[in-house]
Amino acid sequence: KAGVTQTPRYLIKTRGQQVTLSCSPISGHRSVSWYQQTPGQGLQFLFEYFSETQRNKGNFPGRFSGRQFSNSRSEMNVSTLELGDSALYLCASSLDSAGAQETQYFGPGTRLLVL
Amino acid sequence: AQSVTQLGSHVSVSEGALVLLRCNYSSSVPPYLFWYVQYPNQGLQLLLKYTSAATLVKGINGFEAEFKKSETSFHLTKPSAHMSDAAEYFCAVSGSNDYKLSFGAGTTVTVRA
Repeated sequence: KAGVTQTPRYLIKTRGQQVTLSCSPISGHRSVSWYQQTPGQGLQFLFEYFSETQRNKGNFPGRFSGRQFSNSRSEMNVSTLELGDSALYLCASSLDSAGAQETQYFGPGTRLLVL
Repeated sequence: AQSVTQLGSHVSVSEGALVLLRCNYSSSVPPYLFWYVQYPNQGLQLLLKYTSAATLVKGINGFEAEFKKSETSFHLTKPSAHMSDAAEYFCAVSGSNDYKLSFGAGTTVTVRA
């Protein structure tokens, strides 16, 4: 089975621009979560989607948004980029048949650099 | 809210020596606990997880962890370190209705030949 895939792997943007990151979960997985990883703040939860519905959201400004499609693929968008948005953005998917104890499988991440 | 604290941001061990990474959790309800490993320029890979079935959990690559409720701990161990164990390790916790993982700050392991 193919793992979680994220595109693009690397991205360079300038302040004020917007960016869209894509995540394809493992086949059959219906839950997709997004995390931001930075050296200063570590791994922080952004949001989680299940069957196209956002079930949980982390403490990030409204510039960060996401969505999930009917085929479980997910996108996240960051508008009006700031230098502090430079980070590795990780997507994870899970079956969610057993709830929160389900293993989340992570993709390789998208590394975003904001200049 | 659930949270975890990893004690020690860096651990250096000799090849063949015991690896011990410490994680303490804070939770008002029985938590689900996970250990993940991250190699450079890669995503996270699950080593093992605790879901209340057994207090001693065995994972991949020879790692295991013991859930101790009295100490609110979930320390990760490996009896004999290998050069390939050099990576960053994250402890994480999830509550029953969280639908999210809360991670510790991570512990970087270096292995000396």
